[in-house]
Amino acid sequence: SAVISQKPSRDICQRGTSLTIQCQVDSQVTMMFWYRQQPGQSLTLIATANQGSEATYESGFVIDKFPISRPNLTFSTLTVSNMSPEDSSIYLCSAGQAGNIQYFGAGTRLSVL
Amino acid sequence: TQLLEQSPQFLSIQEGENLTVYCNSSSVFSSLQWYRQEPGEGPVLLVTVVTGGEVKKLKRLTFQFGDARKDSSLHITAAQPGDTGLYLCAGSGGSEKLVFGKGTKLTVNP
Repeated sequence: SAVISQKPSRDICQRGTSLTIQCQVDSQVTMMFWYRQQPGQSLTLIATANQGSEATYESGFVIDKFPISRPNLTFSTLTVSNMSPEDSSIYLCSAGQAGNIQYFGAGTRLSVL
Repeated sequence: TQLLEQSPQFLSIQEGENLTVYCNSSSVFSSLQWYRQEPGEGPVLLVTVVTGGEVKKLKRLTFQFGDARKDSSLHITAAQPGDTGLYLCAGSGGSEKLVFGKGTKLTVNP
C-alpha cells in the first residue's frame, strides 16, 4: 500500500488567483494521478502526472489551466490557475501501484469566491 | 470510451437490511475495484477482482466479478450505520488509468 499526504486540506480563494496543491507519497511510485470530484459524486480524471515528462491531460483539461509538476517518484503538484467559482471542487491525487490499484490522498477542498 | 454504469445512485436503508450495488459495462475490464469514501476523506480501496466469476468476501461484504468481466456487484449483508458512505466501482481496461462509475451514496439508518 501507499500513504498519500495532500495539502492544503482546504482553502478559500479569490477569483483570478492560483492555488498549488501538493501530493507526497511515502514510497516511490511510477504513476500519479490528479482527479476532481464534486461532493457526493464520482471522480473525474484531470491528468496523469509523468515523472520526467509533461503530464498527460484528459479531454476538457489543459495545461495552462492545470499545470502539473512531477519532479521525482514521490511528489507531484497541481496548480489551479486563474480560478473562477466553477473551479470550486475537491481535488484528489492518487498513486498507482501494481494491479492498477490506486491509493488516494484525503483531498483538497477548494472554494473560490 | 469505456463506461461503467453504477446503480443505484442513492440507497437509504435500515440497519440490518441487505443491499446490492451493481456496476455494468459493455466493455471488458482486466480488473475491477471497489472503493468506499467517507465525507472529508479520499476513496479507500475495498477489493480488487481480476478473474471472471471471481467472488471475494470481506466480512459482511461480498464482491463478484461477472464471468465475462464486464460487470460486478457488491452485496452487503445486515448493513450497519458504519457502512454509510459513497461506494465507487472502478475498472481498468489494461492501462493504468481507472474508469469510475458514478457512485452509490449509501445511508444506513439506525
